[in-house]
Amino acid sequence: ELKVEQNPLFLSMQEGKNYTIYCNYSTTSDRLYWYRQDPGKSLESLFVLLSNGAVKQEGRLMASLDTKARLSTLHITAAVHDLSATYFCAVDIGNYGQNFVFGPGTRLSVLP
Amino acid sequence: EPEVTQTPSHQVTQMGQEVILRCVPISNHLYFYWYRQILGQKVEFLVSFYNNEISEKSEIFDDQFSVERPDGSNFTLKIRSTKLEDSAMYFCASTRGQNYTFGSGTRLTVV
Repeated sequence: ELKVEQNPLFLSMQEGKNYTIYCNYSTTSDRLYWYRQDPGKSLESLFVLLSNGAVKQEGRLMASLDTKARLSTLHITAAVHDLSATYFCAVDIGNYGQNFVFGPGTRLSVLP
Repeated sequence: EPEVTQTPSHQVTQMGQEVILRCVPISNHLYFYWYRQILGQKVEFLVSFYNNEISEKSEIFDDQFSVERPDGSNFTLKIRSTKLEDSAMYFCASTRGQNYTFGSGTRLTVV
């Protein structure tokens, strides 16, 4: 059974600081997704990582994937309040359906 | 950009009543899904649907749940006899390949 973990689950940080959210998973996969969710809202796709060593950047967020370590990171650079949200990683081990599993989410609060 | 559309956005129902949640996936997508998220918790897989039949379902998706694609565009989730613990946000998603697109969700409140 595929298990996806995130660390930390809660993160409070000051504006301007850098931090990294980690996503570990238990079964080999080369497809990993990051989503953002604002309270009461849907899941907004941030990054799709489809190979070992993939790195993608959008604004202050950068995501990477190490399939050998079964680890993805979401790095936040010079955080701003607008980044406050819950961030989910999700892993796809193929064959669609039940094999697309979400992590528990990291609730990020960026304080002024 | 194509969207997955869900209706209603919020539904309140009495325990024991039937509810139908509706979704219009992206038109050229082939795989369709329902997920649920109990408030403040993780997003949980319910069911996947391909070629007009269920391809996989989770333990959550018991006999009280069913899905249909009645007319080639809508994709519905029916809960026959709702329980208090069915209160959650229900997300529909669709994909053609590697990108999963989620709808805005239906917040179901069972009272």
